[in-house]
Amino acid sequence: AQSVTQLDSQVPVFEEAPVELRCNYSSSVSVYLFWYVQYPNQGLQLLLKYLSGSTLVKGINGFEAEFNKSQTSFHLRKPSVHISDTAEYFCAVPPPNTGTASKLTFGTGTRLQVTL
Amino acid sequence: DTGVSQDPRHKITKRGQNVTFRCDPISEHNRLYWYRQTLGQGPEFLTYFQNEAQLEKSRLLSDRFSAERPKGSFSTLEIQRTEQGDSAMYLCASVAGNTAGELFFGEGSRLTVL
Repeated sequence: AQSVTQLDSQVPVFEEAPVELRCNYSSSVSVYLFWYVQYPNQGLQLLLKYLSGSTLVKGINGFEAEFNKSQTSFHLRKPSVHISDTAEYFCAVPPPNTGTASKLTFGTGTRLQVTL
Repeated sequence: DTGVSQDPRHKITKRGQNVTFRCDPISEHNRLYWYRQTLGQGPEFLTYFQNEAQLEKSRLLSDRFSAERPKGSFSTLEIQRTEQGDSAMYLCASVAGNTAGELFFGEGSRLTVL
């Protein structure tokens, strides 16, 4: 089964600093990959997704992620974070070749804590 | 508001009681998903519907859990004889067609079983 590993449960960072949230996936086949964000007391929302094509994917709020097949990674980056980026970030992957591309398996999440 | 709505947002119940959660998806979305999220974990898939048909159920969904989507619109998730281990956030999400991964989530229903 497809799975994702988020190595960091918490990432503290100062405002305006760059940040990278790590995600590794397990698969030997083509994958779709997603990042979702969950702000406090809100539902999850799609940040960005990789389906095919360019390995550098740009998302909302200035985030981007790079699909790296050789390292089986899909790390999320932002060059300069803001206080409002404080949230829980989830990497996710659907099962391969099942036609249920929206049945996602989520990682355990990384809490990004931005401080002044 | 045309997003996914869930009701109630919070539910506190005593062990052994039954609870029911409702989800109203985005109106044109034919797929509806239920997930469960516990503290410090990512959402875990429970079940999903395409229109009114329940197409898949996770092993996490014991026989105390039942979900319905009778007219292919709103859905309910019922938990019978609740246990403390059922305490979690129950998330509903919907998606149009087979759009890859663009789940639209509601804000969730938080269940606390005393």
